[in-house]
Amino acid sequence: EVQLVESGGGLVQPGGSLRLSCTASGFTFSSYWMDWVRQAPGKGLVWVSRINTDGSITEYADSVKGRFTISRDNAKNTLYLQMNSLRAEDTAVFYCARGPQGGSSTWGYWGQGTLVTVSS
Amino acid sequence: DIQMTQSPSSLSASVGDRVTITCRASQSISIYLNWYQQKPGKAPNLLIYAASTLQSGVPSRFSGSGSGTDFTLTISSMQPEDFATYYCQQSYTTPTFGQGAKVEIK
Repeated sequence: EVQLVESGGGLVQPGGSLRLSCTASGFTFSSYWMDWVRQAPGKGLVWVSRINTDGSITEYADSVKGRFTISRDNAKNTLYLQMNSLRAEDTAVFYCARGPQGGSSTWGYWGQGTLVTVSS
Repeated sequence: DIQMTQSPSSLSASVGDRVTITCRASQSISIYLNWYQQKPGKAPNLLIYAASTLQSGVPSRFSGSGSGTDFTLTISSMQPEDFATYYCQQSYTTPTFGQGAKVEIK
């Protein structure tokens, strides 16, 4: 069974940093592109970032470019999102998501989400 | 980025009703259109991909159609567990979502 479990969320002050993790199991992690999608409280879904199978290709939404860094450790079956210079508008539940092999952004598997709150 | 616009943003329906939600892309996306269902406090669940292909395990009362810029999600007979928010999402380029359509009990 495919499982994605996020961790690392919490309360952080504006300008601070946080690193999210997504631990994968039930599939060959190194064979799949992975994504982060976020959802502000009471709002819609917004794609944040994606990474290819070996980490050599990364993409970011304009709203996080230069502040967030996606990475992965295939030996640990873990996806990361390093978030720096956090702003109040980054407050959201962050989901990791997996699509089919090949990198399509069609996400059949999601984690349960981890809440990031940016507030003083 | 491609803008996705859903309508209506919310609607009320009764059990057994036929419900239709539309999604319009700001430019042609061929059939690179997915539909998700999300319930409060839960992660989204993929219902339909490639505009009209039902994800494994999804009930056949859900169907999707369209291509180019205009797409439709139809629930043929609403069931109690279908009251939720539905999102369209294009996978043609940098992924973007519609704003969501909340389906509430009448």
